Amino acid sequence: AQKITQTQPGMFVQEKEAVTLDCTYDTSDPSYGLFWYKQPSSGEMIFLIYQGSYDQQNATEGRYSLNFQKARKSANLVISASQLGDSAMYFCAMRARGSQGNLIFGKGTKLSVKP
Amino acid sequence: GAVVSQHPSRVICKSGTSVKIECRSLDFQATTMFWYRQFPKQSLMLMATSNEGSKATYEQGVEKDKFLINHASLTLSTLTVTSAHPEDSSFYICSARDNRETNYGYTFGSGTRLTVV
Repeated sequence: AQKITQTQPGMFVQEKEAVTLDCTYDTSDPSYGLFWYKQPSSGEMIFLIYQGSYDQQNATEGRYSLNFQKARKSANLVISASQLGDSAMYFCAMRARGSQGNLIFGKGTKLSVKP
Repeated sequence: GAVVSQHPSRVICKSGTSVKIECRSLDFQATTMFWYRQFPKQSLMLMATSNEGSKATYEQGVEKDKFLINHASLTLSTLTVTSAHPEDSSFYICSARDNRETNYGYTFGSGTRLTVV
């Protein structure tokens, strides 16, 4: 079965420092996609970054980068130069099987940025 | 970019009444819509998948007669919570499959916070 595991319920980081949010996944499909979303207290899901299973390089989007280690089945999100506005829930997700597959989400990590 | 408009953003209703939540894709055709439910401090759990013009597919444990999903057009999907009870209070959010692959294929609505009193 496909599964996403986020083992950090909460994380604290000092403003301007980098932080890594962990995500491991389980799938038997050779082709898959991994996503990270930010959910502020307002509830909207903000897309941050995507990594395809066949992508040769780790994905980067501004201050966000994805540390993709395929053999270890991990897709950790790295946020550099943390800002107060980064305080939110962060969800790792994987696309389920099938061309119209839904996203399967981890339990999330609550990130708090301290001034 | 792709936008999914979800309304209402917040609703409070009395126990026993029905509530309709709309998700409308504004600038693309949403052939598939996913409906998720999120309890406080928990993850998003898939409730059902709807495809335009066909019956929705519900996840195990989700009552299809209670959570009515209609996907009558390529731009509109609705979720109706029938005979709502306090335990139905939750955050409901839709996600449309974007055939143009914007955001790598998934565009979320802004969510609806339902409170049943």
